[in-house]
Amino acid sequence: AQSVTQPDIHITVSEGASLELRCNYSYGATPYLFWYVQSPGQGLQLLLKYFSGDTLVQGIKGFEAEFKRSQSSFNLRKPSVHWSDAAEYFCAVPYAGNNRKLIWGLGTSLAVNP
Amino acid sequence: DVKVTQSSRYLVKRTGEKVFLECVQDMDHENMFWYRQDPGLGLRLIYFSYDVKMKEKGDIPEGYSVSREKKERFSLILESASTNQTSMYLCASSSWAMNTEAFFGQGTRLTVV
Repeated sequence: AQSVTQPDIHITVSEGASLELRCNYSYGATPYLFWYVQSPGQGLQLLLKYFSGDTLVQGIKGFEAEFKRSQSSFNLRKPSVHWSDAAEYFCAVPYAGNNRKLIWGLGTSLAVNP
Repeated sequence: DVKVTQSSRYLVKRTGEKVFLECVQDMDHENMFWYRQDPGLGLRLIYFSYDVKMKEKGDIPEGYSVSREKKERFSLILESASTNQTSMYLCASSSWAMNTEAFFGQGTRLTVV
């Protein structure tokens, strides 16, 4: 069955440190890939998306992600984390059977130490 | 500024009540979705709609129904609320194209007592 895996349930980093959040997917073809962020008590906001072309994608808030077909991964990175980045991060791919729907990872909760 | 608006941020209802959660989008999107979010379980799709009066079951439709009488409005109905439906409910919308993002409302935190 199609799936999206975010191996890290919870990550804590210090402010100013670099960050990498992992996302692995199972999909037959090259997928569309999304990263969303959810601040506490809020809805989800798109950080970035990959469809084709350059495998390094830039997003909002200084985030980037790299698509690696060989590893079926789409990891999210940020060079220097800010306290305001503390949030829940979700990776998603369209469902192969009905691409109007998204399949979601379970999310990674990021805590930032001052 | 594009918007998906959910009618309530917080709701407290009694067991057995009929509950309506309303969602309105102003982007003329074809697709609308209702998700439920619980700690450790991520986002689970309850129902979605890709056109007026059209709906499809998601992963956890039991105990819920939906209504989409107008393109901009998608309602989630709990016919008889139960305590296990206490959760955060998120509405989202997107256009027909697969490569466009979904826009989310702020969420409704429903407590059933």
